[in-house]
Amino acid sequence: DQQVKQNSPSLSVQEGRISILNCDYTNSMFDYFLWYKKYPAEGPTFLISISSIKDKNEDGRFTVFLNKSAKHLSLHIVPSQPGDSAVYFCAAKGFQKLVFGTGTRLLVSP
Amino acid sequence: DTGVSQNPRHKITKRGQNVTFRCDPISEHNRLYWYRQTLGQGPEFLTYFQNEAQLEKSRLLSDRFSAERPKGSFSTLEIQRTEQGDSAMYLCASSLTPGPRGNTIYFGEGSWLTVV
Repeated sequence: DQQVKQNSPSLSVQEGRISILNCDYTNSMFDYFLWYKKYPAEGPTFLISISSIKDKNEDGRFTVFLNKSAKHLSLHIVPSQPGDSAVYFCAAKGFQKLVFGTGTRLLVSP
Repeated sequence: DTGVSQNPRHKITKRGQNVTFRCDPISEHNRLYWYRQTLGQGPEFLTYFQNEAQLEKSRLLSDRFSAERPKGSFSTLEIQRTEQGDSAMYLCASSLTPGPRGNTIYFGEGSWLTVV
């Protein structure tokens, strides 16, 4: 049972444009959501998070939106840069641990 | 560097051998987690510790796997009688106790295991 889903395996965006990565979850007990960025052969790097009591959190070029009624969150990156090219994982925190999606590979082309 | 440290970073072993990975968490973090990631998948939870106490183990953690955190600082993950299906990246992570400052979990760079 996949409790956290990232339905887009990949996304291609031009440099300077907006990247929108989406994530859906099924368990309403999740109380915290995080986005991680991962390069090959490295561990996930924390990017940004949001509590379930909020609907938006912003940090520089990164903004996470949470729609609790739809059990949906999204990560917006604007403007996108080639260095943003990586795999992005959505994770939901509940019951003392993180549950991850399968990731979306973002490619930002110059 | 004060992040989560894992070693060895890469390990190639023959099937049936035992391997051990070590994790040093961020120093003030009392929570320590082990995850496993295979190609095309997100990290999957294996187990976690609060200080030296192992509080939860996933069903993924078969009897061949054992994790310890004897003094509440570093942790080891041992895999006995390795199988080819154990080939994966083993990720260690740490955090403070969940709360206003403890909701973010920080990961190390991972330990790649290849069983041949």
